[in-house]
Amino acid sequence: QQQVKQSPQSLIVQKGGIPIINCAYENTAFDYFPWYQQFPGKGPALLIAIRPDVSEKKEGRFTISFNKSAKQFSLHIMDSQPGDSATYFCAASGRGAGSYQLTFGKGTKLSVIP
Amino acid sequence: KAGVTQTPRYLIKTRGQQVTLSCSPISGHRSVSWYQQTPGQGLQFLFEYFSETQRNKGNFPGRFSGRQFSNSRSEMNVSTLELGDSALYLCASSFQPRDNYGYTFGSGTRLTVV
Repeated sequence: QQQVKQSPQSLIVQKGGIPIINCAYENTAFDYFPWYQQFPGKGPALLIAIRPDVSEKKEGRFTISFNKSAKQFSLHIMDSQPGDSATYFCAASGRGAGSYQLTFGKGTKLSVIP
Repeated sequence: KAGVTQTPRYLIKTRGQQVTLSCSPISGHRSVSWYQQTPGQGLQFLFEYFSETQRNKGNFPGRFSGRQFSNSRSEMNVSTLELGDSALYLCASSFQPRDNYGYTFGSGTRLTVV
């Protein structure tokens, strides 16, 4: 069964800290790994995404690190702000999953304390 | 540019009833996917439609069905509602299947079954 395992379930950091969220996958056919941010009452919004041919991608304060051999990837949020408080989901998709079907991790609820 | 529009935002139904949820994709997007989000199971793929045809289906019972119209708008239907069907139902649209970067979620329909 295709799975994406995400940890931790919740995370509390102080403003300016660097929260790190980790994900691991099983299906080697996955070739696209996005991260989504979800605020209460809203749908998930794409934050940043990476393909397995690169080991790191940075967009603003958000960085994805990707380890293909370990089948793991992580999200780092630099200089975190209270406005970053949200639930973060990692996901994966690929040819092995058929059509474009995202398989999501269970989510990490991040709280950034002022 | 208008985003993905889901109606209604909230619904309360009784066990055994049926319900129809609507999704209007971003203008020009022809692929629509549906997801169920619950605290316990997270985000799970229901089905995907493109050009009025179901392209892929997740692991849900036959009580869950959907369709897409010629203007790309989509509806999903749940018959014989169960308490466990209480969830946030999310719709996502993209230009075509496997359009990774254009994948945009709506804010969802919150269904409560009592």
